[in-house]
Amino acid sequence: AQSVAQPEDQVNVAEGNPLTVKCTYSVSGNPYLFWYVQYPNRGLQFLLKYITGDNLVKGSYGFEAEFNKSQTSFHLKKPSALVSDSALYFCAVRQTDSWGKFQFGAGTQVVVTP
Amino acid sequence: EPEVTQTPSHQVTQMGQEVILRCVPISNHLYFYWYRQILGQKVEFLVSFYNNEISEKSEIFDDQFSVERPDGSNFTLKIRSTKLEDSAMYFCASSQTGTANYGYTFGSGTRLTVV
Repeated sequence: AQSVAQPEDQVNVAEGNPLTVKCTYSVSGNPYLFWYVQYPNRGLQFLLKYITGDNLVKGSYGFEAEFNKSQTSFHLKKPSALVSDSALYFCAVRQTDSWGKFQFGAGTQVVVTP
Repeated sequence: EPEVTQTPSHQVTQMGQEVILRCVPISNHLYFYWYRQILGQKVEFLVSFYNNEISEKSEIFDDQFSVERPDGSNFTLKIRSTKLEDSAMYFCASSQTGTANYGYTFGSGTRLTVV
């Protein structure tokens, strides 16, 4: 079975500081990994994905994620956090043996303080 | 940028009543999905739909649930007799393909409150 884990319920960071949101995965075969963000009262917005190729993936709003196969991790990063980055972040793996359904992590609430 | 539209944004219903949640997927997408998120919990897969039939469903998607694409543009989720535990945010999503390297576009969700 494929799964993702987000070990932190909440991450607090001061504006301007680096932001990291952790994700580890467990899959059989090649992982297709995604990050989504959910702002209050909004839907899930796509940030970035790793399919193949470079381990460092760049996405929307200045976010990037590093795929690390040996550590089975796909941590989301932003060099300098903004207050507007405060939201709920979901890591997800898309299954290759079905109709592409997502398995989501539990989510990490990011709070960026001024 | 194309969007997936969901209506209503919030619905309150009495236990035992039927509800229909509506979604308009992106027009050239062929794969449709419903997910739900109980407050404070993770987003869970409910069902996928392709070529006018269910392609996969989770154990959550029991006989009380059904999906339909009635007119080629709308995609609906019906809950026949709502229970308190059906209270959740329901997300519709669509995708151009069913292959795993594609992301979805999610709607903004319908918050269903069963009282």
